[in-house]
Amino acid sequence: KNQVEQSPQSLIILEGKNCTLQCNYTVSPFSNLRWYKQDTGRGPVSLTIMTFSENTKSNGRYTATLDADTKQSSLHITASQLSDSASYICVVSMTGNQFYFGTGTSLTVIP
Amino acid sequence: KAGVTQTPRYLIKTRGQQVTLSCSPISGHRSVSWYQQTPGQGLQFLFEYFSETQRNKGNFPGRFSGRQFSNSRSEMNVSTLELGDSALYLCASSLAASGGALEQFFGPGTRLTVL
Repeated sequence: KNQVEQSPQSLIILEGKNCTLQCNYTVSPFSNLRWYKQDTGRGPVSLTIMTFSENTKSNGRYTATLDADTKQSSLHITASQLSDSASYICVVSMTGNQFYFGTGTSLTVIP
Repeated sequence: KAGVTQTPRYLIKTRGQQVTLSCSPISGHRSVSWYQQTPGQGLQFLFEYFSETQRNKGNFPGRFSGRQFSNSRSEMNVSTLELGDSALYLCASSLAASGGALEQFFGPGTRLTVL
């Protein structure tokens, strides 16, 4: 069964600290993996998109990694800011335009 | 360039009614996808339209339907509303069909409440 699982479900960190969010998937055949940030009451915003051949991709303080062999991805946030408080969603795409969504990690950054 | 717009932003309906949601993609984008987001299920794919044709469909009942017009604007219709249809409905647009690694841009969503 094609699934995307994210952990942890929620996370609270101090401003300025780093954190890593995890995404494990069983989707096959794999096309690409996306990380989105969704602020409360808003639509998701794309952070990174990685294809099979890409191991890492950065977007400012956000760095995503992909291990296609173990079917794992992580999103690392460096020097967190209060504005990083949001839900982070991992989305895995199959060839043939099928998308599978994780239920997200809710991140709260406190001063 | 204007982003993806969705109307209305909020909607309250009663069971059994039907509803139509509208999405205007970013200018030049030809692909529009619809998603349902609920606290328990997260984001779930409804369908994707490209050049007025439905390219892909998620696992939703036939009460959920959509269409795309020649100007790429899209509408989604839900008939015979049920309480469980209460959700945030998100629309996303991209330049071409979303099977590749093209970025999707999401609208702010329409919050539907079914009483």
